[in-house]
Amino acid sequence: EAGVTQFPSHSVIEKGQTVTLRCDPISGHDNLYWYRRVMGKEIKFLLHFVKESKQDESGMPNNRFLAERTGGTYSTLKVQPAELEDSGVYFCASSQGTGMIGSGNTIYFGEGSWLTVV
Amino acid sequence: QKEVEQDPGPLSVPEGAIVSLNCTYSNSAFQYFMWYRQYSRKGPELLMYTYSSGNKEDGRFTAQVDKSSKYISLFIRDSQPSDSATYLCAIYLLGSASKIIFGSGTRLSIRP
Repeated sequence: EAGVTQFPSHSVIEKGQTVTLRCDPISGHDNLYWYRRVMGKEIKFLLHFVKESKQDESGMPNNRFLAERTGGTYSTLKVQPAELEDSGVYFCASSQGTGMIGSGNTIYFGEGSWLTVV
Repeated sequence: QKEVEQDPGPLSVPEGAIVSLNCTYSNSAFQYFMWYRQYSRKGPELLMYTYSSGNKEDGRFTAQVDKSSKYISLFIRDSQPSDSATYLCAIYLLGSASKIIFGSGTRLSIRP
C-alpha cells in the first residue's frame, strides 16, 4: 500500500513567487493534515481536512497560504507570494479516523516538501 | 512557555548503551502521548503511544509517562546504529480538533 506522497520533494523559488505543494494521502483516508517545520523550530500544525472540508485551520500563518482539497482526495497548499520566512519543510499526513490512537487512527506522515525561498 | 519542551541534543552514545530521551509538557489536561522517530530527509514515523501514566514496552523501546510531574520519557535498550535518528515527543489532542503538538526533537547518534 502506498504511503502519503508529496510533490515536489524540493523546491527553490524567489521571494514573491508562488509555489504549490501537492499531497496524495493514503487511499481511503478521509483525514488529511498539513504541518510544517521552519528553521530551528518544532513541527507545527497548519490545518486539518475531513474529506473536502476544513475541520481546523487554526495553524495557518496568514492569508498568503491557501489549502484546498477538492473532491476529498489529494490536497494542495499554495503559498502566494512566498516570503523568506516560509522556508522549511512542509509535511502532509493522513489518517483513517480521528479517534484514539491504535484504533486504526494512526496519523501517517509523508516525507515532506522542502521549500527554500531566496 | 512551549506546550512541549524537549532537549534538542545532539546525543551520541556507543552501540549497546541504554538511551534515555525526555520531554516535559505544560498542560495537565493532555492525555495522549507519543514518540515519533524521524530519519534524515524522511517524515516522522510513529514509534510508540500511550494514554496513561506508567510504562509501555515494545521490544527494545519503553515509553514512560509521569502525569504528576508532566514528564515523558523514551528508553532504548541495547541501542543499535540503526536507531540513529531524531526522536520527537508529541501530544495528541483529541476532540473537536485533532492535531499533534510536537517537541523540537532530539537528534540521537549511536556509534558502532
